[in-house]
Amino acid sequence: DTGVSQDPRHKITKRGQNVTFRCDPISEHNRLYWYRQTLGQGPEFLTYFQNEAQLEKSRLLSDRFSAERPKGSFSTLEIQRTEQGDSAMYLCASSLAQTLQETQYFGPGTRLLVL
Amino acid sequence: AQTVTQSQPEMSVQEAETVTLSCTYDTSESNYYLFWYKQPPSRQMILVIRQEAYKQQNATENRFSVNFQKAAKSFSLKISDSQLGDTAMYFCAFMKQVMNRDDKIIFGKGTRLHILP
Repeated sequence: DTGVSQDPRHKITKRGQNVTFRCDPISEHNRLYWYRQTLGQGPEFLTYFQNEAQLEKSRLLSDRFSAERPKGSFSTLEIQRTEQGDSAMYLCASSLAQTLQETQYFGPGTRLLVL
Repeated sequence: AQTVTQSQPEMSVQEAETVTLSCTYDTSESNYYLFWYKQPPSRQMILVIRQEAYKQQNATENRFSVNFQKAAKSFSLKISDSQLGDTAMYFCAFMKQVMNRDDKIIFGKGTRLHILP
């Protein structure tokens, strides 16, 4: 399968714990995005990388959130001191900036439940 | 700021019928993309169809077609000969077109579509 993959698919944690999610984009894609989706809502943008550079961060991304893409391939999203309000599906997407025919391909998501 | 509005939270249609999902958006941009994404119960988001705002011709992909009305800022999705596998949440989405960098996608709240046997 050469699509976007995310790990883990599900995570249950206790409030106050740190969690880290991983996203592996489609291999030749240089752009990688993180979105958050709460129940009954559409995904909301969190942050975006082009290669290893983080180019934009949403106001939704509080100081407890940090994202990296150290070698321009996979990315990690870490949430420190989790809160119940962090419970959501975290989606990763990737795209190839080659032409103006941009299409973002989504992974299956990591569902986080904070108890 | 751009906004995307889907006014139909939930719809149900019989298999083989045609169904239209509505979407309106608000933007001051002149160049942008519009999308319909499908999210089945397994929750992997799949691109259904895309439309470049500069193109007047409505996009079509097999049984899926759009009615893009730029002046009205309307972008509806028509599904013909609906199938049970079309049951999913459908999101209308907007992305600003930028020459040398991508931009984030703005999603609507979605329409849950049930195809009934």
